[in-house]
Amino acid sequence: KNQVEQSPQSLIILEGKNCTLQCNYTVSPFSNLRWYKQDTGRGPVSLTIMTFSENTKSNGRYTATLDADTKQSSLHITASQLSDSASYICVVSRNTNAGKSTFGDGTTLTVKP
Amino acid sequence: DAGVIQSPRHEVTEMGQEVTLRCKPISGHDYLFWYRQTMMRGLELLIYFNNNVPIDDSGMPEDRFSAKMPNASFSTLKIQPSEPRDSAVYFCASSLRALQEQYFGPGTRLTVT
Repeated sequence: KNQVEQSPQSLIILEGKNCTLQCNYTVSPFSNLRWYKQDTGRGPVSLTIMTFSENTKSNGRYTATLDADTKQSSLHITASQLSDSASYICVVSRNTNAGKSTFGDGTTLTVKP
Repeated sequence: DAGVIQSPRHEVTEMGQEVTLRCKPISGHDYLFWYRQTMMRGLELLIYFNNNVPIDDSGMPEDRFSAKMPNASFSTLKIQPSEPRDSAVYFCASSLRALQEQYFGPGTRLTVT
């Protein structure tokens, strides 16, 4: 069964600290993996998109890694800011039925001053 | 570009009434997606279109739900008759190609009493 599991479910950190969110998937055949940030009351916004051949991609203070062999991805946030408080969603797409992706349940990050 | 536009932003209706949600995708995008988000089930794909043609509607919960895309710049999601369990945030998203980044609209928060 195609699944995407994220951990932790929620996380609280102090402003300025770093954190890492995890995403494990069983989706096959793999096409790409995307990380989205969703602020409360808004639609998800794409942070990174990685294909099979990419193992690291950065977007400002956000760095995503992908290990296609172990089917794991992580999102690392450096020097967190209050505005990083949001839900982070991992999404994996297959090569078949390309429009139908599998969504993780998300990690809720709270950054406190 | 104004991004994906959805209307209304909020909808409160009584059980049994018809509800129509509207979406204008980003100009030039070939793919349009309708999602539903609840606390219990997270983000779920309801249906997606490619060049105005429905490709996969397996996520549509039941016959009470229908979606149309009469042209490249407009899509509707209709619920008739609505039920309290349909209460959720409904997102529309569009992408240039199937496996590329999806741009989400602000969502429509539907409450059925």
